[in-house]
Amino acid sequence: AQKITQTQPGMFVQEKEAVTLDCTYDTSDQSYGLFWYKQPSSGEMIFLIYQGSYDEQNATEGRYSLNFQKARKSANLVISASQLGDSAMYFCAMRGSSSNTGKLIFGQGTTLQVKP
Amino acid sequence: DAEITQSPRHKITETGRQVTLACHQTWNHNNMFWYRQDLGHGLRLIHYSYGVQDTNKGEVSDGYSVSRSNTEDLPLTLESAASSQTSVYFCASSLAGGPSEQFFGPGTRLTVL
Repeated sequence: AQKITQTQPGMFVQEKEAVTLDCTYDTSDQSYGLFWYKQPSSGEMIFLIYQGSYDEQNATEGRYSLNFQKARKSANLVISASQLGDSAMYFCAMRGSSSNTGKLIFGQGTTLQVKP
Repeated sequence: DAEITQSPRHKITETGRQVTLACHQTWNHNNMFWYRQDLGHGLRLIHYSYGVQDTNKGEVSDGYSVSRSNTEDLPLTLESAASSQTSVYFCASSLAGGPSEQFFGPGTRLTVL
């Protein structure tokens, strides 16, 4: 069975510093995709970044990067130069090849608070 | 601009009543999904559809049903609302496969008294 684990219920970071949010996954699929979403206090789900299992380079989107370590089955989100607006809940999610029409499995989320 | 909308945004109902939550997307996506979000559980998949007339059960489908009569809409029905169904409900849509992200609606907060 596929599973996503986020072991940090809450994190604090100082403004302008970098922070890493952990995500480990379990799957027997050879082809899969990993996603990170941000959920601010307003409640909407905002897509941040995607990493495919066959992508050789770590994905980057602006201040977001995904530290993908396939052998360790980890897909950590790195936010550089944290901003106050980064305070939110962050979800890691996975889509396996057996569900290539898009079905996602989500982790429980990590709440990030950025301190001024 | 293409979008995905949900209605109502907030709903209070009583135990035993039938409730339907609407989801409408203008992305022309074949795939649509319903999730519920509860503290400590993240988002859990209720039902999903790969296209018109196609529906499938997700992880937590008991007490819920969906129907897909067109590409744009996937209404979620609670046949007989229970207090355990108090939650925030998200609808999402996506293209098939690959790196296609899921686009989420704004969510519906449902309270069952």
